[in-house]
Amino acid sequence: ILNVEQSPQSLHVQEGDSTNFTCSFPSSNFYALHWYRWETAKSPEALFVMTLNGDEKKKGRISATLNTKEGYSYLYIKGSQPEDSATYLCAFIHSGNTGKLIFGQGTTLQVKP
Amino acid sequence: DGGITQSPKYLFRKEGQNVTLSCEQNLNHDAMYWYRQDPGQGLRLIYYSQIVNDFQKGDIAEGYSVSREKKESFPLTVTSAQKNPTAFYLCASRRTASDLSEQYFGPGTRLTVT
Repeated sequence: ILNVEQSPQSLHVQEGDSTNFTCSFPSSNFYALHWYRWETAKSPEALFVMTLNGDEKKKGRISATLNTKEGYSYLYIKGSQPEDSATYLCAFIHSGNTGKLIFGQGTTLQVKP
Repeated sequence: DGGITQSPKYLFRKEGQNVTLSCEQNLNHDAMYWYRQDPGQGLRLIYYSQIVNDFQKGDIAEGYSVSREKKESFPLTVTSAQKNPTAFYLCASRRTASDLSEQYFGPGTRLTVT
């Protein structure tokens, strides 16, 4: 069974704080890693698709890094805003079955004004 | 507008009844997926389809069935054999099952069985 772990499970920060969380996945047979943001009452939306070891991707104040050799990805949010409050999901794709995404349990971020 | 629609948003059923959840996409995507979310848990894969007329069991397929007769439609039937059917169900699609594209999600259906 392939396991994807996210930590922490939840996080409360003040507006303006920078924060980061982790996604851990199997370090062998890596194909891709996805990050999604899921806001309350909305559908999950893709943030990043990461494929290469050492990849760094950025979208506004949110960025992500990837280490496939050790099996982890970090998501960073710089200067958190209340609108960043959401659950952040990562999903691992194994090269042996690229049709299937294996999701972590998510990190729920609450940004207080 | 291209996207994924799921209907209805809320569904109530009596125990022992089968119920079918609708999922339609107009994105021309080959791959479609059904996930279930329970409180405190992540998304768990029920079934997925990589192409029309083909589907595969996910991690929690027991008590569920699907069909993929058309590219744009992937209905999920929750049968009476599913022991804990009350949950939030999300449908998703992806351009293909083998490329690096992201998934697109529908708005979800919340099923309550009493």
